[in-house]
Amino acid sequence: RKEVEQDPGPFNVPEGATVAFNCTYSNSASQSFFWYRQDCRKEPKLLMSVYSSGNEDGRFTAQLNRASQYISLLIRDSKLSDSATYLCVVNWGVNTGFQKLVFGTGTRLLVSP
Amino acid sequence: ETGVTQTPRHLVMGMTNKKSLKCEQHLGHNAMYWYKQSAKKPLELMFVYSLEERVENNSVPSRFSPECPNSSHLFLHLHTLQPEDSALYLCASSQVVTTGGYSNQPQHFGDGTRLSIL
Repeated sequence: RKEVEQDPGPFNVPEGATVAFNCTYSNSASQSFFWYRQDCRKEPKLLMSVYSSGNEDGRFTAQLNRASQYISLLIRDSKLSDSATYLCVVNWGVNTGFQKLVFGTGTRLLVSP
Repeated sequence: ETGVTQTPRHLVMGMTNKKSLKCEQHLGHNAMYWYKQSAKKPLELMFVYSLEERVENNSVPSRFSPECPNSSHLFLHLHTLQPEDSALYLCASSQVVTTGGYSNQPQHFGDGTRLSIL
């Protein structure tokens, strides 16, 4: 089983659509989770952290299900500028103080006019 | 604008060359990381320095040699690389939780160095 698994896509959606990405992870001891965004040939940038109770940031909603080891990202009212690769990231480091991030391969999103 | 700066942005080198990648962070963080991103593969953690001490070496071949002279600077020294080492090398930094426990502080990435081995 892959450590962090995502559907690579691409997801092709029209502007204004709602799109959801899913991710599963294999380390049940993991405590912190993130979604990063990576544009073509650029560095990853933090989109949002994922909290146990679920959290929202504008058009973006993240959910965590620890029992199923499953993370999701929902994007509402998609914009052209949302086109990018979305990376599911899990911190494998437990009680280390520093992070040992494990990345999924990413899900590519293409938003069209 | 990134608080983590990497140089050079692009590097082409032969297999017998020796070169170094440089990373500098201006965020006051105390942990720094090297990652490798190959085409169609997820980012792979290579090394972690926490409080200027190397705390993680993720089974990286010895032809890659990291150096962390202080909490703001990180180097990756390269020698006798192979064609499969061609990739994007990314540096990141974060704030360590000094009392142990887990850290949910995000990592901040530099723009990366795109390395090509001839």
